[in-house]
This record gives sequence, structure tokens and C-alpha cells, in this order.
Amino acid sequence: NAGVMQNPRHLVRRRGQEARLRCSPMKGHSHVYWYRQLPEEGLKFMVYLQKENIIDESGMPKERFSAEFPKEGPSILRIQQVVRGDSAAYFCASSPPGTANYGYTFGSGTRLTVV
Amino acid sequence: GESVGLHLPTLSVQEGDNSIINCAYSNSASDYFIWYKQESGKGPQFIIDIRSNMDKRQGQRVTVLLNKTVKHLSLQIAATQPGDSAVYFCAERGTSGSRLTFGEGTQLTVNP
Repeated sequence: NAGVMQNPRHLVRRRGQEARLRCSPMKGHSHVYWYRQLPEEGLKFMVYLQKENIIDESGMPKERFSAEFPKEGPSILRIQQVVRGDSAAYFCASSPPGTANYGYTFGSGTRLTVV
Repeated sequence: GESVGLHLPTLSVQEGDNSIINCAYSNSASDYFIWYKQESGKGPQFIIDIRSNMDKRQGQRVTVLLNKTVKHLSLQIAATQPGDSAVYFCAERGTSGSRLTFGEGTQLTVNP
């Protein structure tokens, strides 16, 4: 079991470009969460997805940010027209299905730098 | 609203001592709590969890205590080692679905 896989590990984008971050959950996990971490700060919730459904996007900025978790393939966090303030570490976590839903495993993150 | 915070931003201990990291939370309806360890450049690593129907849970060298009366969570690390140096976050799961809300973190430094 490879755990939660995120790629790329590091991503550099110029202002105005698009950033695409990928997350493959642990085998058997159908719930995916995206968090953002600014330097020296805690993790801030962005969005919670299940296969083909966005369950909670209350932490996601209304503009430029979108997320998906298709039936096949990894979850994608997309940031359009990036700005310097988007520079951060983006972490994905996954958890198993079911109402109990315990056990959140994090990936190693994607560190986005906007220049 | 939901918020989780920590009492101390930094904690420095001697190798071999016991460490106690504290966390306060504000959502009395939270049903599940987790402690994570994050080393520089890495993702959060699960340490131990506790459900709201418990007040204590022990793991290997770690103990989590939950006091629902004062909405306080603590992580105790026995015989702290240099490899324990990291930032420690508490997280709660509240009533707003299955997301976790994190505190700001405590930087633990273990001196040899």
C-alpha cells in the first residue's frame, strides 16, 4: 500500500499560469480532502470530495480554485491565474468510506511557488 | 464557529524527559480528535486519535487525554527523543461533515 500519493512534489508557476495538483488516495479510500498550509501556520481546510461529488467546498476560494475527483483517476486541485499569495504547501488526505470515517492519512504535499 | 488552538507555540525539552503538548478546542460537539506530527518538508503523520466517548488513550510512548468539560486535549510523549522534534498539531472533527479542523501547531525541540 503506497499511501496517499501527491504529485508533483514541487511546482513553480509564473503569475497568471495554471497549477494542477494531483492526489491519489490510499487503496480502498473513497474520501479525499485538500488542505493548504502557509509557512509557519496550520493546515486550512479547502474541499472534501467523494468519487464524482464535491461534498464540502466551504474552504475553497470562490474564484480561480476548483477541485474534482473523477470516477477514474486521481483527484485534481486546479488553480487558475495563480498569484503570489497562492504560494503554499497543498496537502491531500484520504479516509475510508462509511459513516464512521475514521483514519485520515496525508500525502507528502505539493509545494507551489508562484514567481 | 469551530476553532482549535494551542496554548504554547514552542516547547523545548531535554532528551529523556516527558513532553506535554496542549490543545484547546471550542466546538463542544466535536466527536473525534487526532494528533499529528509534521517534520520539516513532510506531510502530517498520524500519531494517535481519540473519540469523544473516551478520556484517555495510550499508544507506544504517547498518551492522549481528552477533557470535554474544559474542552482540552493533550499529548504526552514519554522519554522524548531527538527524533520527536517536529511540529505537533491537534485536529478535531466537528459537526460540519467529515473535515478536520487543525490548530496552529506547537514546535517541539528536543535537546540532547
